[in-house]
Amino acid sequence: AIRMTQSPSSFSASTGDRVTITCRASQGINTNLAWYQQKPGKAPKLLIYAASTLPSGVPSRFSGSGSGTDFTLTISCLQSEDFATYYCQQYYSYPPTFGGGTKVEI
Amino acid sequence: EVQLVESGGGLVQPGGSLRLSCAASGFTFSTYWMSWVRQAPGKGLEWVANINQDGSEKYYMDSVKGRFTISRDNAKNSLYLQMDSLRAEDTAVYYCTRVTPYGSSLFDYWGQGTLAPVSS
Repeated sequence: AIRMTQSPSSFSASTGDRVTITCRASQGINTNLAWYQQKPGKAPKLLIYAASTLPSGVPSRFSGSGSGTDFTLTISCLQSEDFATYYCQQYYSYPPTFGGGTKVEI
Repeated sequence: EVQLVESGGGLVQPGGSLRLSCAASGFTFSTYWMSWVRQAPGKGLEWVANINQDGSEKYYMDSVKGRFTISRDNAKNSLYLQMDSLRAEDTAVYYCTRVTPYGSSLFDYWGQGTLAPVSS
């Protein structure tokens, strides 16, 4: 199975900050990479797919980049509603696998 | 509006069985792959199983093969997960998810989840 490693596992930030989360795949996955946002007690929400594509309704302060094995999620100007846990996921091959998550705290 | 509503969770003893259900609405259920993803308390996300549109293709994570069965009833717009020989490590919130047309295991909509604790 492809292993997905996120860093950092958690960090503190303030509203207005620019934050970057990284995700590394144990083997190349082209751009078959998604990011999800999960708030406490809620289901995950698809944030980015194909490494850099935002689904309709996702604010433009979110962006993604990367291909192959190294990927990043950037939030350009952190808002209060962005404090959450973020997961990357590869859908290049079975089994689909998730990173361990990055908790963004105040 | 796409809605996925899970049910069927609840406390079960090790070795026991549970059948989870997911009622889908707001989209043409029969044209989408569907999936179950789980999350142990305080832990990350873990894919469990996928099923194609007519139920002829099914994929499972290794640790549930032979114990869990994913199925669907397109006439009832429903997805199911039959879980047998349950273990403590199967304790999790189980999410019903819709698979997008863009990737074989890319999940664009999630239900609210149903908790299945396995404990004596």
